Amino acid sequence: DVKVTQSSRYLVKRTGEKVFLECVQDMDHENMFWYRQDPGLGLRLIYFSYDVKMKEKGDIPEGYSVSREKKERFSLILESASTNQTSMYLCASSFLTGLAGVVGELFFGEGSRLTVL
Amino acid sequence: KNQVEQSPQSLIILEGKNCTLQCNYTVSPFSNLRWYKQDTGRGPVSLTIMTFSENTKSNGRYTATLDADTKQSSLHITASQLSDSASYICVVSAGTGTASKLTFGTGTRLQVTL
Repeated sequence: DVKVTQSSRYLVKRTGEKVFLECVQDMDHENMFWYRQDPGLGLRLIYFSYDVKMKEKGDIPEGYSVSREKKERFSLILESASTNQTSMYLCASSFLTGLAGVVGELFFGEGSRLTVL
Repeated sequence: KNQVEQSPQSLIILEGKNCTLQCNYTVSPFSNLRWYKQDTGRGPVSLTIMTFSENTKSNGRYTATLDADTKQSSLHITASQLSDSASYICVVSAGTGTASKLTFGTGTRLQVTL
């Protein structure tokens, strides 16, 4: 079974704390993604990575950073958590398929629900 | 600006009935269209992926259609079951390679009742 594992399902942090969200995939996928999901807004891309040590900003990167030191692991870091970062965070991975390099089928983790007080 | 709009926002149907969810998009250049099912509190799971040349694709009781001319897709669920209660998300992919971008709809929340 293919698997994307997120380290924590539920977290509660205080404003100003540093937060680490970890994601591990076992499918040897090139691409890894971090999204946040808020009611009525759909999934929004924070950062993605298409190779080890490579990272690209998504649509809402402000207040976040990422790290990809190994192919299977992609970490999301909130340097100083704020209340507006309370959300569901979803990690996903995919192959880069075909000659045109289209993003393949996305496999999502179960999500990490972060509450910042 | 790339956009994906889904309708209805929410839907309640009786078990055993059929239903159809709609997705309209303005995405360029179109690469493919995907439907995902997301159970409450879980991550989305892929149902179908369709490219420009495919106009119908089935996955069990789920059938997706794509009309690339009108930029519309639908997801038809046949003989609904209680386990179909979930949010259904339409996602359209634009471009290729590392410039490839996915645009997500906000989803249709389906509730199947007895």
